[in-house]
Amino acid sequence: AQSVTQLDSHVSVSEGTPVLLRCNYSSSYSPSLFWYVQHPNKGLQLLLKYTSAATLVKGINGFEAEFKKSETSFHLTKPSAHMSDAAEYFCVVSDMRTAGNKLTFGGGTRVLVKP
Amino acid sequence: NAGVTQTPKFQVLKTGQSMTLQCAQDMNHNSMYWYRQDPGMGLRLIYYSASEGTTDKGEVPNGYNVSRLNKREFSLRLESAAPSQTSVYFCASREYGHLNEKLFFGSGTQLSVL
Repeated sequence: AQSVTQLDSHVSVSEGTPVLLRCNYSSSYSPSLFWYVQHPNKGLQLLLKYTSAATLVKGINGFEAEFKKSETSFHLTKPSAHMSDAAEYFCVVSDMRTAGNKLTFGGGTRVLVKP
Repeated sequence: NAGVTQTPKFQVLKTGQSMTLQCAQDMNHNSMYWYRQDPGMGLRLIYYSASEGTTDKGEVPNGYNVSRLNKREFSLRLESAAPSQTSVYFCASREYGHLNEKLFFGSGTQLSVL
């Protein structure tokens, strides 16, 4: 069985300061991992994905995430937050050996950016 | 435009009414999914389809049925809507492989059951 835990339901940062969104996963096999962002009243947009290539993954809008197998973590970071980063972020896990089967979402982290 | 198309975007139902949410993708993907999104609960899988003609239950299948009649389309049906089914519904399709895995979402359906 696979699962995803996003450790913070809400994160508040000041504009220009770093953002850290934490994600831990559980998976029986080598996982694929994704981060998605959802802006208010919008659909889901892919930020980045890990599929067993480089452990440091760079995504859109200055976000990056590092896959750490020993810690079963896939935390999302950005060096300097922008007001437009205010949104909800989802960590998603998928087992590659069961690629035709279900994906599992974390509960989401809502990011507030203060001016 | 290539992608996942969901209809309708908004729907209001009375308790006990039925409706079908439509989803179509033109990317020739095998896997398709239906999720519901509720505040504070993230996205929960209702049903998924690994290939044409096959469907499987997800985390929260009760009260729903699905149909995957062809590779493009995966519909979600509410036979007798209940207020607990008020939610935002997302359809997704998936292209997967060792180095090239992508998940595509539709724009969502906001459903209210009164």
